[in-house]
Amino acid sequence: EAGVAQSPRYKIIEKRQSVAFWCNPISGHATLYWYQQILGQGPKLLIQFQNNGVVDDSQLPKDRFSAERLKGVDSTLKIQPAKLEDSAVYLCASSDTSGEGTDTQYFGPGTRLTVL
Amino acid sequence: AQTVTQSQPEMSVQEAETVTLSCTYDTSESNYYLFWYKQPPSRQMILVIRQEAYKQQNATENRFSVNFQKAAKSFSLKISDSQLGDTAMYFCAFKTRNTGFQKLVFGTGTRLLVSP
Repeated sequence: EAGVAQSPRYKIIEKRQSVAFWCNPISGHATLYWYQQILGQGPKLLIQFQNNGVVDDSQLPKDRFSAERLKGVDSTLKIQPAKLEDSAVYLCASSDTSGEGTDTQYFGPGTRLTVL
Repeated sequence: AQTVTQSQPEMSVQEAETVTLSCTYDTSESNYYLFWYKQPPSRQMILVIRQEAYKQQNATENRFSVNFQKAAKSFSLKISDSQLGDTAMYFCAFKTRNTGFQKLVFGTGTRLLVSP
């Protein structure tokens, strides 16, 4: 079974530029998550999708971050314009239920973003 | 809001020995789930073990076991017969069992180094 795929693995941009990350979840997984992991901290949920609908985006900085999950499969996370404090690893995860209970979240390898 | 605290930024252990990683959490909920995730240097986060708060019996997965103390809000991870492949960041995470969307709240992690 293929795991969660993410691209690119690394990205370096200058502040005020825009960047996009892509995630392909495990086939059949209805729930998709985007996390931000700043160095030295645990992952923080940015947005959670159930199929192609958003169920939680309370911690997404909506003035600069956006995300979509068209057709309930792949997802993209965009930052525009980027700030220095956006430097982090962006993790995508998926699970095969609604997110309830002890369902396991499967994580991708992450995209390491450096903003100069 | 729920918080998860991991007070040990780094731990080291020799191969074949036993090590315990600490985790405490704060919540007013009575029903919830607790998890330990492992993040090796390659950054692919994987689930190690999970515990449902209403179960009194501590969860065990091969060499990994937990000591769940609900009254003390403590959830430690014991790794027996440590192996070099156990070297990783370990994150404790909490999820409420309430209805609606349920996000994982992570601690700041403990870096574990297993040496020969």
